[in-house]
Amino acid sequence: AQTVTQSQPEMSVQEAETVTLSCTYDTSENNYYLFWYKQPPSRQMILVIRQEAYKQQNATENRFSVNFQKAAKSFSLKISDSQLGDTAMYFCAFMMSFGNEKLTFGTGTRLTIIP
Amino acid sequence: ETGVTQTPRHLVMGMTNKKSLKCEQHLGHNAMYWYKQSAKKPLELMFVYSLEERVENNSVPSRFSPECPNSSHLFLHLHTLQPEDSALYLCASSHGQGEWNEQFFGPGTRLTVL
Repeated sequence: AQTVTQSQPEMSVQEAETVTLSCTYDTSENNYYLFWYKQPPSRQMILVIRQEAYKQQNATENRFSVNFQKAAKSFSLKISDSQLGDTAMYFCAFMMSFGNEKLTFGTGTRLTIIP
Repeated sequence: ETGVTQTPRHLVMGMTNKKSLKCEQHLGHNAMYWYKQSAKKPLELMFVYSLEERVENNSVPSRFSPECPNSSHLFLHLHTLQPEDSALYLCASSHGQGEWNEQFFGPGTRLTVL
C-alpha cells in the first residue's frame, strides 16, 4: 500500500517570503502521479500542481514549483513571493498509474502567511 | 452553478436519525467520490463510482450507504451513525479516464453526530 507523509503539521511565513512544504511517499510503483492540493479556510479543495513520475523536469505553476526527487521519494512544494491568499491547508497526494482513480493523501500542512 | 456542489453544508443529527448528503457535479465527469476528512488524519476515500457503478468501497461501515443514480449526482445515505462519524464529508468528481484524472472537490458537508 502507498503512504504519504507530511512531517510539518504547521508552518508560518511572512508575506512575500518563500516557503517550502515537504512531502515524502512510499511506493513500489514506477509510474505514478503526485499532486499538491490546497484547502483554504472556505474548505473547497483545489489542485495546485501535479507531477508525472516519469518526467524528470520539475513542474511549475506561476509562484508554485515542486522539487521532485524520485529516488528519494520526495515531493516538496515551494511557494515563492507568498501572498495572504496562500493561507490554507496543503495536502500532498499520490495516485498510481493511468486508470486508477484512488488518491492517497498525507495529513496536511497548515500554512499561515503573516502580513 | 458550476463545479461540484454539496448540500447541506452543515448537518447535525442524532444517532437514531436518517439523513442524506447530496453531491452534484456540473463538469461532465464520469467518476465521483466520497471522502471523509477528520482532524489530523489524511483524507479517507470511502467510495468511488465510475459510470454510475461502484468500483471502490474502502471497508466503510454499512451505516453509510452511497447511491449514484446518474453520472451527475451522488448521495450518501446515513443511518444510526456514531459520534466518531462526525467529520467533513467531501465529494469529488473526475473524468475517470485519461492520464491526469484530476479530481475536483466540492465544499464539503460538516457533519456532527450527537
